[in-house]
Amino acid sequence: GDSVTQMEGPVTLSEEAFLTINCTYTATGYPSLFWYVQYPGEGLQLLLKATKADDKGSNKGFEATYRKETTSFHLEKGSVQVSDSAVYFCALREYNFNKFYFGSGTKLNVKP
Amino acid sequence: DGGITQSPKYLFRKEGQNVTLSCEQNLNHDAMYWYRQDPGQGLRLIYYSQIVNDFQKGDIAEGYSVSREKKESFPLTVTSAQKNPTAFYLCASLERDNEKLFFGSGTQLSVL
Repeated sequence: GDSVTQMEGPVTLSEEAFLTINCTYTATGYPSLFWYVQYPGEGLQLLLKATKADDKGSNKGFEATYRKETTSFHLEKGSVQVSDSAVYFCALREYNFNKFYFGSGTKLNVKP
Repeated sequence: DGGITQSPKYLFRKEGQNVTLSCEQNLNHDAMYWYRQDPGQGLRLIYYSQIVNDFQKGDIAEGYSVSREKKESFPLTVTSAQKNPTAFYLCASLERDNEKLFFGSGTQLSVL
């Protein structure tokens, strides 16, 4: 079946550092790919998405590119802020179905 | 405000007891989901429902049951057959046009 694998955390960075959180997937067909974020004390919310190969999703300074050749959807941000501290989940929607699979989550801590 | 409401926030189960977690949405979404979140394991799909009076098992359905009698409501029952029920349970609904999941604030279930 479909699955998502993302890098282990926690990741600790200083403010203004560059962020990469790796995500790879296994899927049949052409899944849509997502990053969700869970801020402390809040529910999960959609951060960005990409629906086909080579699409780039972006939001709040975060970006991720759908790479079919490497089955990856890595999350990047050029300069993180303390307010970006959260748990980030990579996810996919199974092709032609409304079934969503999530990775294990990566906790990001940003120090001032 | 539109959204998803889960209740209770905390729930305790005794041995041999069934407990029911509530999930209500006023977003007029057809599809709804139940996920279980364990530390280090991310979100795992328990059950999902594409439409009223229909639901499918997810990857870890054993020991759980659901119903979908109304569009707004998708309650989850944790039965006595679920031997390791302690976890954080998240309910979600899907905005189909944007492939966007909306999550509730979750229920923490613990065993007494």
